[in-house]
Formats: sequence, C-alpha cells, structure tokens
Amino acid sequence: DIQMTQSPSSLSASVGDRVTITCRAGQTISNYLNWYQQKPGKAPKLLIYGASSLQSGVPSRFTGSGSGTDFTLTISSLQPEDCATYYCQQSNSTPKTFGQGTKVEIK
Amino acid sequence: QVQLQESGPGLVKPSETLSLTCTVSGGSISNYYWSWIRQSPGRGLEWIGYIYYTGMTNYNSSLKRRVTISLDTSRTQFSLNLSSVTAADTAVYYCAREVMATFGRGVYFFDYWGQGTLVTVSS
Repeated sequence: DIQMTQSPSSLSASVGDRVTITCRAGQTISNYLNWYQQKPGKAPKLLIYGASSLQSGVPSRFTGSGSGTDFTLTISSLQPEDCATYYCQQSNSTPKTFGQGTKVEIK
Repeated sequence: QVQLQESGPGLVKPSETLSLTCTVSGGSISNYYWSWIRQSPGRGLEWIGYIYYTGMTNYNSSLKRRVTISLDTSRTQFSLNLSSVTAADTAVYYCAREVMATFGRGVYFFDYWGQGTLVTVSS
C-alpha cells in the first residue's frame, strides 16, 4: 500500500494569509494525487485532481502542485469558510489511500 | 445533478454482517467506478473497494476476505456487505463515484459522495 503523509497535522492562520499543506507519498505516484476539503459532519469535497487541476466551482485561491512523491496544496488568501480538514489521496494504484488530514483553523 | 444516498442499519452486532446500499440519482451508473469509503477516528479515511458498471470489483486487501460489493443497474444502486464485524468496523460509511479526468492520462478522482452514514458495531 502507498502511504500518504501530510504535514502539518494542524495549523492556525489569519484571514488573508497564504497557507501551504504538504503531502508526501511513500513511492512515486506521478501526478495521481487529489485534494479534498472536509467540514464537520460533511462528506469530503473534491478541490484538486491530477495534482494541479482545479475542480469546477472551486475558488481559484486553491492551487495544487507537485509530482512524483511531493505535493502541495496552497490557499493563496485564507477565508473564514476555508476552516476545514484537508486530505490528499493517491489514485496511482489500489488500494486508494488518503493522508491523515490537516486541520486548518482561523486565528 | 448527481446525488448519492447511503441507507442501512445504524447498529450492527459483533460477528454479524454490515449491509449498506447506495442509491444513485440524477445520473447513469454506466462508465463509472462506484466505491465504498469509511472514516473513523482511528483509521482516518479508508477505501474499502469499488465496483465498475460492468460488475468488475476491486477490494482493499485488508478487508478482502470480508467484503462484497454488488451492483443493481436496474435500480441504480450498489451495495456493501461486510461480514464478521467487530468494534473496529465502527465508522461513517460513504459511497462515492470515481471518474477519470476528461483529459484522461489515467487521472481518477472521487467527484460525488453520499452524505455518509454512521454504523456502530455493538451488542
């Protein structure tokens, strides 16, 4: 199984800050990396697929980058509605695996 | 608008079989992969397995001996059976659609999810 490791596990930032979340795969996965946002009591919501493609309807302040084993999700200007937990997920091979999550809070 | 809705018992006794159904509305079953994913504080998000519209299945090896996913195309539903459950199987269970990106290149992602249903394993 491909292990996905996110860092940090949580962060606190101010509205308008640039926020960066990192995801590392246990082996190379090309660009088969997706990012999801999950709010309490809700299902995960797709933000980014294929490492850098923005899902339709997702604000452009969310960007993804990386390939191989190291990936980044960036929120260019944090908004109050971005308070959530973010997960990376690899689709390179089965079993599909997820990172442990990064909880983003507003200071 | 595609919608997925999980249904099934919220409480299952240890050693029994957990059975859930996902009803798909607003779209076709064809040409997609249909997955079950669960989430618990201890295990995080865990992919259980998928069924393709042709009936082909792929299961997480950690659960393979206990899992069966089936498809009812006429009713646009797919189901999960997880046998011999223990407290470790207590989780929120999600059904989700997996699709390939329009540009292809083998990029797949979960674009639609059900709201999730909590299943507790307890006597």
